[in-house]
Amino acid sequence: AIQMTQSPSSLSASVGDRVTITCRASRGIRNDVTWFQQKPGRAPKLLIYAASNVPSGVPSRFRGSGSARDFTLTISGLQPEDSATYYCLQDYDYPWTFGQGTKVEV
Amino acid sequence: QVHLEQSGAEVKKPGASVKVSCKVSGDPPNEPLIHWVRQAPGEGLEWMGGFDPEERKTIYAQQFEGRVTMTEDTSTDTVYMELRSLRSEDTAVYYCASRGHEYSNHFYYYGMDVWGLGTTVTVS
Repeated sequence: AIQMTQSPSSLSASVGDRVTITCRASRGIRNDVTWFQQKPGRAPKLLIYAASNVPSGVPSRFRGSGSARDFTLTISGLQPEDSATYYCLQDYDYPWTFGQGTKVEV
Repeated sequence: QVHLEQSGAEVKKPGASVKVSCKVSGDPPNEPLIHWVRQAPGEGLEWMGGFDPEERKTIYAQQFEGRVTMTEDTSTDTVYMELRSLRSEDTAVYYCASRGHEYSNHFYYYGMDVWGLGTTVTVS
């Protein structure tokens, strides 16, 4: 199975900061990565698909990039409501695998 | 817009089975592709399986092979996930999620963009 190594496991930042979360795949996965935001007691919410595509309704401060093995989620202009845990997921090959998660405290 | 409504919380004894339902409503533009993801207390997300439209079958994560079955009742637009031989480690919130997609000569995928609220399964 493809492993997704996500870092950091947690971070603390201030309102207005820019934060970066990375995921490294154990082998090349083209651009088949999605990013999710999850708040306590809630279902995950899709933020980014196909590495860099932002679904309608997701604020423009969320940006994804990367291909092959290295992927990044960037949040620019951090807001209080961005406090959550963020996960990457590779949907390139079965079994799909998630990163371990990054807890962001604003 | 697709809406997914999941069945209520379950408490099961070790060795028993559980069947969680996920009713699809709304006006999906095409056949919903339902996947299942679980989350143990305080842990991360774990993909269990889902329907692959290109292979026209359900794919299961290997760690659940032989213990899980995902089925669909097209008459009620309801998808089911049955997990058998339950053990304490199966205590988790189980989510169904719909993978957005369209087809034009080949499939385009838009990620799991609609999720149910989750079903808590406690094995004790």
